[in-house]
Amino acid sequence: LAKTTQPISMDSYEGQEVNITCSHNNIATNDYITWYQQFPSQGPRFIIQGYKTKVTNEVASLFIPADRKSSTLSLPRVSLSDTAVYYCLVGDPPSGGYQKVTFGTGTKLQVIP
Amino acid sequence: GAGVSQSPSNKVTEKGKDVELRCDPISGHTALYWYRQRLGQGLEFLIYFQGNSAPDKSGLPSDRFSAERTGESVSTLTIQRTQQEDSAVYLCASSFLGGEGYTFGSGTRLTVV
Repeated sequence: LAKTTQPISMDSYEGQEVNITCSHNNIATNDYITWYQQFPSQGPRFIIQGYKTKVTNEVASLFIPADRKSSTLSLPRVSLSDTAVYYCLVGDPPSGGYQKVTFGTGTKLQVIP
Repeated sequence: GAGVSQSPSNKVTEKGKDVELRCDPISGHTALYWYRQRLGQGLEFLIYFQGNSAPDKSGLPSDRFSAERTGESVSTLTIQRTQQEDSAVYLCASSFLGGEGYTFGSGTRLTVV
């Protein structure tokens, strides 16, 4: 299983763009990169998934360089409600098989008024 | 149902007692996962089911932990002779073939006193 490394915490002011980078040096060919968001007392919630280049949805963008050894989650114009823990996950997606997947400790994002 | 349902939402038990935690996945989701999250920590993989089978039980912390799934639906995580170190939030997630990610329940907060 590919190990991931993320910053433990980040602070940002409201309205700013936030970029959270995850390192995954031993990512496998079949692995996808998925990001989840977790609020206190809730289970993680899927944000975005990608394999290479750039993926964008209504919530975030995911940038993946050609070597795929890292990825960056970009949250545009954050608000206080974006304060949460963000997890980077690397592995076969559910569509690819039933693989054991482990979440790291995540990045705690604190948005400041 | 519309989402992954876990019950009970909170459980306080005395040390040494057995507890059963229940997970109702989204209908049609073939894969089901159990995770444990201690306060302020990341998610620790426990076990996953492919249909009713559990190909990987390596994440179960000890032989006091067991899980089963029936009818490719409901799953029960049982902890026997609970210890204070078992206190945590137990999260269940499900997914289907072709899906992008996991859908998590809100978890069961277990407190062993």
